[in-house]
Amino acid sequence: DVKVTQSSRYLVKRTGEKVFLECVQDMDHENMFWYRQDPGLGLRLIYFSYDVKMKEKGDIPEGYSVSREKKERFSLILESASTNQTSMYLCASSSFGLRPQHFGDGTRLSIL
Amino acid sequence: AQKITQTQPGMFVQEKEAVTLDCTYDTSDPSYGLFWYKQPSSGEMIFLIYQGSYDQQNATEGRYSLNFQKARKSANLVISASQLGDSAMYFCAMNEAQKLVFGQGTRLTINP
Repeated sequence: DVKVTQSSRYLVKRTGEKVFLECVQDMDHENMFWYRQDPGLGLRLIYFSYDVKMKEKGDIPEGYSVSREKKERFSLILESASTNQTSMYLCASSSFGLRPQHFGDGTRLSIL
Repeated sequence: AQKITQTQPGMFVQEKEAVTLDCTYDTSDPSYGLFWYKQPSSGEMIFLIYQGSYDQQNATEGRYSLNFQKARKSANLVISASQLGDSAMYFCAMNEAQKLVFGQGTRLTINP
């Protein structure tokens, strides 16, 4: 079975902090994705990556950056956390082609 | 651009009944994939079933089946013999290149 692991289920940080969310997958997938999910807004794509050191902006990249130094790991970085970044963050991975994305358990991030 | 529409914000069903969750899509691509995901209250996104646009038969996975009507651009999820554990949010999605576009979701509640 595909395993996508996010580093934390719950995280509380303060405004202005630099926040790192880590995601690791064990299936040698080429593609990795970061989403945020908010009530009434559904899932919105923040960034994605097709390969190591490659990244593409999604629908809402402002205030975020990403890093993919190794194929199995995709990190989401909040450069200076703000309260409007309080949300559920979901990481996913997939192989190339018309293949399903497999998700981690999600991180509920609160910015105080 | 692709679009996914789920018109049922919420559904209530008696345990052991079958349930159909609606999904319509809009695309001009001849090759595409359709996906259904389940999200329990704990937050993780669970991949349920996949249908490719060129697949001749409707996809099935255990109690889940996908009623794919290509001419009508619909991809409804059918859950047979519903169980209390089926209570969750259900999302329909379609690929846009290597990304997924999600519908707004349907909250399914199974009553005992």
